Amino acid sequence: KNQVEQSPQSLIILEGKNCTLQCNYTVSPFSNLRWYKQDTGRGPVSLTIMTFSENTKSNGRYTATLDADTKQSSLHITASQLSDSASYICVVTGGGNKLTFGTGTQLKVEL
Amino acid sequence: DGGITQSPKYLFRKEGQNVTLSCEQNLNHDAMYWYRQDPGQGLRLIYYSQIVNDFQKGDIAEGYSVSREKKESFPLTVTSAQKNPTAFYLCASTPTGAAGEKLFFGSGTQLSVL
Repeated sequence: KNQVEQSPQSLIILEGKNCTLQCNYTVSPFSNLRWYKQDTGRGPVSLTIMTFSENTKSNGRYTATLDADTKQSSLHITASQLSDSASYICVVTGGGNKLTFGTGTQLKVEL
Repeated sequence: DGGITQSPKYLFRKEGQNVTLSCEQNLNHDAMYWYRQDPGQGLRLIYYSQIVNDFQKGDIAEGYSVSREKKESFPLTVTSAQKNPTAFYLCASTPTGAAGEKLFFGSGTQLSVL
């Protein structure tokens, strides 16, 4: 069964600190992996896409990594801001364009 | 601004009632999708459409119906057959429906049962 598991489930950090969110998947075959940011009461917005051959990709203060051998991805947020408070969702595309969504990591950035 | 507009933002359903959630896009995208989001669960696909006048069931289509009469519009009806409709509903689109395309989401509709 295709699954995407994210950890931690929730996280509280102080403004200016860094954090790393994890995504482990069992989707096969693998096409790509995306990270989305979802603000409360809003729709998700794509942050990055990782394909099989990519190890690292950055988008501003967000850096995603992918280890296709161990089927793990991480999203690193540098110098966090209050506006980073949101749910971060990992989505893996498998065969037949089938998407499997993780349950998300709820991040709260505090002063 | 180009994007996807969902309405209403909040909707209440009485028992035995059908309700319709609106989704309109001006991105000229071919493919449109409806997802359901419940607390502690990943998004689940209800229905999708890759072309006008055609749509396919997703993983949890029972109790829902859709239509795609226009490229820009993909309304979702939650019927009385859906016994647990309380959830956050998200409409999305992609340019062609090809594998791996980025989903563009609307702002969602929160449906609650009275």
